[in-house]
Formats: sequence, structure tokens, C-alpha cells
Amino acid sequence: GAGVSQTPSNKVTEKGKYVELRCDPISGHTALYWYRQSLGQGPEFLIYFQGTGAADDSGLPNDRFFAVRPEGSVSTLKIQRTERGDSAVYLCASSFDRDTGELFFGEGSRLTVL
Amino acid sequence: AQSVTQPDIHITVSEGASLELRCNYSYGATPYLFWYVQSPGQGLQLLLKYFSGDTLVQGIKGFEAEFKRSQSSFNLRKPSVHWSDAAEYFCAVGTYPSGEYGNKLVFGAGTILRVKS
Repeated sequence: GAGVSQTPSNKVTEKGKYVELRCDPISGHTALYWYRQSLGQGPEFLIYFQGTGAADDSGLPNDRFFAVRPEGSVSTLKIQRTERGDSAVYLCASSFDRDTGELFFGEGSRLTVL
Repeated sequence: AQSVTQPDIHITVSEGASLELRCNYSYGATPYLFWYVQSPGQGLQLLLKYFSGDTLVQGIKGFEAEFKRSQSSFNLRKPSVHWSDAAEYFCAVGTYPSGEYGNKLVFGAGTILRVKS
């Protein structure tokens, strides 16, 4: 597609539920990133994929968070047993392989945990 | 650990006035530095970036930024602000060593720019 696409744009769920957030990167971009942006804060790094593998998952806050990218394109961020503190905007970005320049961001998925 | 500080949470300027948004970073090596803009309902958009070379960097929409190693700063400037520049601005530092794959960014908390007519 023309840009990074994220679905859903908004998700409201109850504490304890399971949530999946999807990211469709720009075609041909091999690098994919997930960030989390809490209210009043800048984006915080969660995980980075190079192709199908997670090259760096050091930002995942705990083992309730997991992300996959099975075919090296679309990625899904999975959150188990959601907590109110997980409420945030989850941003996905992609970039060209070996490019130390621009990350192209999607509009984000706003997650609200009641 | 790498960090980015944007000291101003909010800034208000008059349309047509000049603008400077401050950014200070902490990073042990030569930094890759970025400014992004986020408008309501839109994704982050890159304004400009610094990797090496000329310390004054030109970006889109008439923005520029100057890298000052001695001050660990990368301030964003615009000579004449337009109402459409009202948005939130984020400074970021790239943290992977040069030559490695990827570009993991550490962001500042952002500065909200308001433009008054």
C-alpha cells in the first residue's frame, strides 16, 4: 500500500482480555518496528523485526506482550491478560533494509483497557 | 542509556514569528538525530535528520535544525511560522551503532506548538 496501515484504529477492551493489533508495512520494507505512546509521552520502542525474525525485543514490557511477523510483511502485536496500564496508542513503523534514515509510521491503534 | 530531553512541553508563537524548539540528547557515540511532527489523527512524519557532515540540516516545510556536539543539542528552527505548523514535535536519537541494521529510536516527550493569529 501507499503507507503503513494499522488496524483497528481504536480498540476498547476489558481488563484481562486478549488483544491483537495488526500492522501492514509499506511494500518492500523489510524492517518493521512497534512503539507504544502513552498520553503526554513520546513513543517508546517495543520490538524490531528484520524480515521474519525479531532482531530486538528488548522494549517489550513483560511476557504478556508478543509480536509475530510470519511472512516478513504483516505483523501482529499480541497482548494477553490486558491491564489498564496497557492503554496507549500502539504505533507501527517500517523502513528499508540497511537504511539508517527514515521510519515511516502508521497512524496507530488506540487501545483502551477498561 | 540514551535519552532525549525536550524542555518545553508547550510553546505558543504568533503566526509569522520565528520558532525554536529545544532538544538535548545523551548518547555515547556520534548520534543520528531526527525531528518528527505529529498532527492530530496523523502518523509521525519526518521533518529532517542528521547523520554526519554539515551541522545545519534543512528539512521539509521550511524547517531546519543545527547539531551542536559541544552542547549535545539539536534545536529545531523555522524563521516564520504558519498556522498549519500547529502540531506536536518530537526529537529522537537513533541508537544502533553505525553500520548495523535498523534504526531504533529513542524519543523525547514532545513539544506541543500552538500558533496564534
